[in-house]
Amino acid sequence: DAGITQSPRHKVTETGTPVTLRCHQTENHRYMYWYRQDPGHGLRLIHYSYGVKDTDKGEVSDGYSVSRSKTEDFLLTLESATSSQTSVYFCAISERTSGGAYNEQFFGPGTRLTVL
Amino acid sequence: KNQVEQSPQSLIILEGKNCTLQCNYTVSPFSNLRWYKQDTGRGPVSLTIMTFSENTKSNGRYTATLDADTKQSSLHITASQLSDSASYICVVSAPYDYKLSFGAGTTVTVRA
Repeated sequence: DAGITQSPRHKVTETGTPVTLRCHQTENHRYMYWYRQDPGHGLRLIHYSYGVKDTDKGEVSDGYSVSRSKTEDFLLTLESATSSQTSVYFCAISERTSGGAYNEQFFGPGTRLTVL
Repeated sequence: KNQVEQSPQSLIILEGKNCTLQCNYTVSPFSNLRWYKQDTGRGPVSLTIMTFSENTKSNGRYTATLDADTKQSSLHITASQLSDSASYICVVSAPYDYKLSFGAGTTVTVRA
């Protein structure tokens, strides 16, 4: 999984509780992403980071926040978890080539989150 | 909105047989198209990547084709093995954009 770890790998929580997922990389890649994967849907981007302390929203960002205080760590926080946030969450990393035309994304192993 | 549609949603094949997966996209302008393989419980792993100028790309028993004019791609699996059982995801990107458009995937089950 290209030097990417996610923690925890599995979590069960209750509605209304805060949850933080961690993504850690050892590749020193500039870009980091959080996706969610649900049956019948493609991977959907939640938030991404283009550098330390530089983040932006993806297509499904409501109810999620992120932080990146170091190059290697990207945190995803659910401030108050809801059942609709039950999903598998993937972190990804990438580094542009010199031309910027390629963007190979490498994915972590995923975190399965269940909100009861 | 850029979309990527994959078909079929799932298929079952016997070990040793061939199969072809389809991907249609509306991303424009277009930079490159990737096929990822995702084993159960794992993250996606890249199989092939093609730019608009490439028509075909192989990776072992996997061969991807691309028709940028019709915005269609296919992934052909030759002489399938049990280890080919996985979800195959088509991913399309625009130039100089680190945000990707993902298909929902085709689940392939190979049976002995």
